[in-house]
Amino acid sequence: KAGVTQTPRYLIKTRGQQVTLSCSPISGHRSVSWYQQTPGQGLQFLFEYFSETQRNKGNFPGRFSGRQFSNSRSEMNVSTLELGDSALYLCASSFYRSYEQYFGPGTRLTVT
Amino acid sequence: GENVEQHPSTLSVQEGDSAVIKCTYSDSASNYFPWYKQELGKRPQLIIDIRSNVGEKKDQRIAVTLNKTAKHFSLHITETQPEDSAVYFCAASDSGAGSYQLTFGKGTKLSVIP
Repeated sequence: KAGVTQTPRYLIKTRGQQVTLSCSPISGHRSVSWYQQTPGQGLQFLFEYFSETQRNKGNFPGRFSGRQFSNSRSEMNVSTLELGDSALYLCASSFYRSYEQYFGPGTRLTVT
Repeated sequence: GENVEQHPSTLSVQEGDSAVIKCTYSDSASNYFPWYKQELGKRPQLIIDIRSNVGEKKDQRIAVTLNKTAKHFSLHITETQPEDSAVYFCAASDSGAGSYQLTFGKGTKLSVIP
């Protein structure tokens, strides 16, 4: 099976802009979670989607949002970018909300 | 919410020696504990996990132990090899509230010296 894929892999944006990141889960997986990884804070949970519904949200401002499509692909959006949003954004997929989560390669976002 | 503490933050061992990484968690409802290995520039890779109804699990040179009473779990790597060098993350998850959110420790950078 193909693994989790994320696009784009690298992105450079300026403050105030918005960005959309995409995640395609492993075939058959229906749950997608998003995490932000930074050197200072480590891996932090953003949100989880299952059956096109957000099931849980981490402690991030409303500028961070996401959605899931009927084919389980997911997107996350960050509006009004800030310098502190620079990070590696990882998505992970799992089968039917089971525990085992498998990560994609991430999108490296740099905000200047 | 859940809080996961991980120690040490860095660990250097000689090739062939054992390495132990320890994590503690705060939420007694947590019932799933995975470990991820992340090599430089790569994605986190699930290497082993344990559920709360099991005290120990082994997979070749890797083992994980869980002490629910003390709320801590550990990763043991025996006969370390240079390719074991990476950052290792522990995590905890509580499905009881209907969420499968993983709360991660801050990571341990393991260096295996040839």
